[in-house]
Amino acid sequence: TQLLEQSPQFLSIQEGENLTVYCNSSSVFSSLQWYRQEPGEGPVLLVTVVTGGEVKKLKRLTFQFGDARKDSSLHITAAQPGDTGLYLCFEGAQKLVFGQGTRLTINP
Amino acid sequence: DAGVTQSPTHLIKTRGQHVTLRCSPISGHKSVSWYQQVLGQGPQFIFQYYEKEERGRGNFPDRFSARQFPNYSSELNVNALLLGDSALYLCASSLVAGQHYEQYFGPGTRLTVT
Repeated sequence: TQLLEQSPQFLSIQEGENLTVYCNSSSVFSSLQWYRQEPGEGPVLLVTVVTGGEVKKLKRLTFQFGDARKDSSLHITAAQPGDTGLYLCFEGAQKLVFGQGTRLTINP
Repeated sequence: DAGVTQSPTHLIKTRGQHVTLRCSPISGHKSVSWYQQVLGQGPQFIFQYYEKEERGRGNFPDRFSARQFPNYSSELNVNALLLGDSALYLCASSLVAGQHYEQYFGPGTRLTVT
């Protein structure tokens, strides 16, 4: 059983569309992080969310931490081909565990 | 500034052999963590070191071991290699170990066991 369940596992959409990916758990976390990984590279940190209900924006990316601090979402507005990659959520305070990732493909 | 560096970039070994992977953290970073990423999955935590002491260990067999040197670089050793050890091995460095710390990952070492 995965401590962090990500959905969907695969997502392929057209450029300009919006999308949301999810990271869910039955456990409460003090913080969650989102990383993006491109082929042949290590993951790169996008954001850390700490407070329940927190919303953080990074250009066209919006990250939310659930009120109960058990889940998080990543919303991308007007997706671009450069957004293609593997998106990973990560709990680093207790278990140091990644979700299995959402592989996102944006088609021109 | 140089990022996290790992060597070698690729490695092919035979079942039963052992392997040593190396990681140099960002200058000033005192914590190094190791992860195994099997194709199509998220990375799995193997070890974390801080100030040369082991701070955490994931669910990996004793064939896996690691150490951190006085200059904060680190080695991951895997003995008696199995086919299932084929993976991308990632090293991450951070200033400290603890909550909310920001990890910086190297490009990884791709290990293939035949």
